[in-house]
Amino acid sequence: DAGVTQSPTHLIKTRGQQVTLRCSPKSGHDTVSWYQQALGQGPQFIFQYYEEEERQRGNFPDRFSGHQFPNYSSELNVNALLLGDSALYLCASSETGGVDEQFFGPGTRLTVL
Amino acid sequence: AQSVAQPEDQVNVAEGNPLTVKCTYSVSGNPYLFWYVQYPNRGLQFLLKYITGDNLVKGSYGFEAEFNKSQTSFHLKKPSALVSDSALYFCAVRDDGSGNTGKLIFGQGTTLQVKP
Repeated sequence: DAGVTQSPTHLIKTRGQQVTLRCSPKSGHDTVSWYQQALGQGPQFIFQYYEEEERQRGNFPDRFSGHQFPNYSSELNVNALLLGDSALYLCASSETGGVDEQFFGPGTRLTVL
Repeated sequence: AQSVAQPEDQVNVAEGNPLTVKCTYSVSGNPYLFWYVQYPNRGLQFLLKYITGDNLVKGSYGFEAEFNKSQTSFHLKKPSALVSDSALYFCAVRDDGSGNTGKLIFGQGTTLQVKP
């Protein structure tokens, strides 16, 4: 049983560019949440997708957007990248609409130069 | 608003000794508390959770956590530390303030260093 998978593993972009990160949830999970983990910090909630809709959003600007597909996989898009967007982006999946423990993927390390 | 605090940036312990990683929480309702561990360049691994019931929760890899309502604490413990337990540990609380989505609020993390 595959756990949560994310791609790519690492990514280097320059300021102003756009990036798309991908996540496949653990088998049987229908809810995907995205977190940003800056260096030396705890993860910060970006948003959650359930039934292909954004169900809740954290304190992140509109440059951060997402999508969930019918197979429950998800994408995180970030436009107009800033240096401060450099972080580890974690995808977490859960079942029953998200109220149980979340299982995290290995993350995508984004570096903005 | 829900929050968690991990008062120690780093905890050092000798292999074979008991370990404790501290966490305190602030919630407006019933607390739903979690511990996760993160190894270098890896995602977070779930260790254990407290939803309701016994105050002593047992989890993965021999870890346990003690829920104390009067002290609003949820400390992570292990009777005998291993060098391989060295990692970054996060305490988290589920934010039920908006839509019961399971959104997690994390502490800043505590680095556990177990020395041989």
